[in-house]
Amino acid sequence: AQSVTQLDSQVPVFEEAPVELRCNYSSSVSVYLFWYVQYPNQGLQLLLKYLSGSTLVESINGFEAEFNKSQTSFHLRKPSVHISDTAEYFCAVSEGGGANNLFFGTGTRLTVIP
Amino acid sequence: DVKVTQSSRYLVKRTGEKVFLECVQDMDHENMFWYRQDPGLGLRLIYFSYDVKMKEKGDIPEGYSVSREKKERFSLILESASTNQTSMYLCASAGPTEGTTEAFFGQGTRLTVV
Repeated sequence: AQSVTQLDSQVPVFEEAPVELRCNYSSSVSVYLFWYVQYPNQGLQLLLKYLSGSTLVESINGFEAEFNKSQTSFHLRKPSVHISDTAEYFCAVSEGGGANNLFFGTGTRLTVIP
Repeated sequence: DVKVTQSSRYLVKRTGEKVFLECVQDMDHENMFWYRQDPGLGLRLIYFSYDVKMKEKGDIPEGYSVSREKKERFSLILESASTNQTSMYLCASAGPTEGTTEAFFGQGTRLTVV
């Protein structure tokens, strides 16, 4: 079965500093990749996804992630974080595209410090 | 706007009680899911359903059952609640398996078993 590793459980960062949240997955077969965000006391929302095509994908609020097949990674980055980015971020991988085989990482809690 | 609604945000139940967690989606999705979220463990799939009256076990089905009598509603049942079932429960739905690229989540139900 697929496994997803988020190496950092907590990442504190100062406001306006850059941030990278790391995600690695185990399978080398064709995969779909997702980042979900969970704001305090809310459910998960899709932040961005890679299905095919360009390996760099972007969200509407300035996050981006790059699919690296050789390193089986899908790291999430933002060049300048805002207080409102404080949340928990989950990386997820699907092998067949179907949500019934969506595997989640353990999450990274991003805390933006004023 | 896409919506997945969980009937309760917070629940407190006693050990041994039968507990029902309800989830309704308004997107006419075939697939519905119940996850459990615990600190440091990420999201773990309990059960999913790909059609009315159909269900499949996920990674941690022990102690749980589900019911899907109507397409829009998916219920999670704890037959006899125990303290180790204290957790955040998240419901999700997704479109047809072929080409499904995103799961939509409810707000979550935080269940405490005392």
